[in-house]
Amino acid sequence: DTEVTQTPKHLVMGMTNKKSLKCEQHMGHRAMYWYKQKAKKPPELMFVYSYEKLSINESVPSRFSPECPNSSLLNLHLHALQPEDSALYLCASGIFPPGDNQPQHFGDGTRLSIL
Amino acid sequence: AQKITQTQPGMFVQEKEAVTLDCTYDTSDPSYGLFWYKQPSSGEMIFLIYQGSYDQQNATEGRYSLNFQKARKSANLVISASQLGDSAMYFCAMRPASGGSYIPTFGRGTSLIVHP
Repeated sequence: DTEVTQTPKHLVMGMTNKKSLKCEQHMGHRAMYWYKQKAKKPPELMFVYSYEKLSINESVPSRFSPECPNSSLLNLHLHALQPEDSALYLCASGIFPPGDNQPQHFGDGTRLSIL
Repeated sequence: AQKITQTQPGMFVQEKEAVTLDCTYDTSDPSYGLFWYKQPSSGEMIFLIYQGSYDQQNATEGRYSLNFQKARKSANLVISASQLGDSAMYFCAMRPASGGSYIPTFGRGTSLIVHP
């Protein structure tokens, strides 16, 4: 079982809906990441939180709104998404700053479909 | 800037045989780390193995080993005795060593299919 838990595993929503993706980790990691991944492609970084503060936003459209309410939780609020936003959304966590040999730890992802 | 190249979009291997997945990289950082991840169809990215640029020996973790050739800037993953459960996407990633950007750069991935 993964140590990073993402819910829901699958989500289908219309373009006018508002929904949220959730991510939780209890490894004491102080960096948390959101990635978007299309099929057969590498993950693309969206946001990074370090010590609960947004440190990186990779020019993501405002219809995606991240939130880090505490050191264990990371949310991604979704509103007015487009069909091209359909993808696997991966959450990851890691030690901050990471040691040389310390990898990111990923969740199972949320498969999002926009109708 | 860093760049990771995985030239094999798809690979096939017979069960119980060994397979090598290629990864070449380019970086101006003097020290860096290389990571391999496995992604089954379920979606989770699973960390497999790490190689530091100053490590004297090639990394090994169970059936996984790295063929690290620093002069050639390559870090190929070798999977010995392939199993059906090894069928997945495999991503090579690089990150500068401590003090640099902590965001890894991923390659495009290789899809591995293990035949019975």
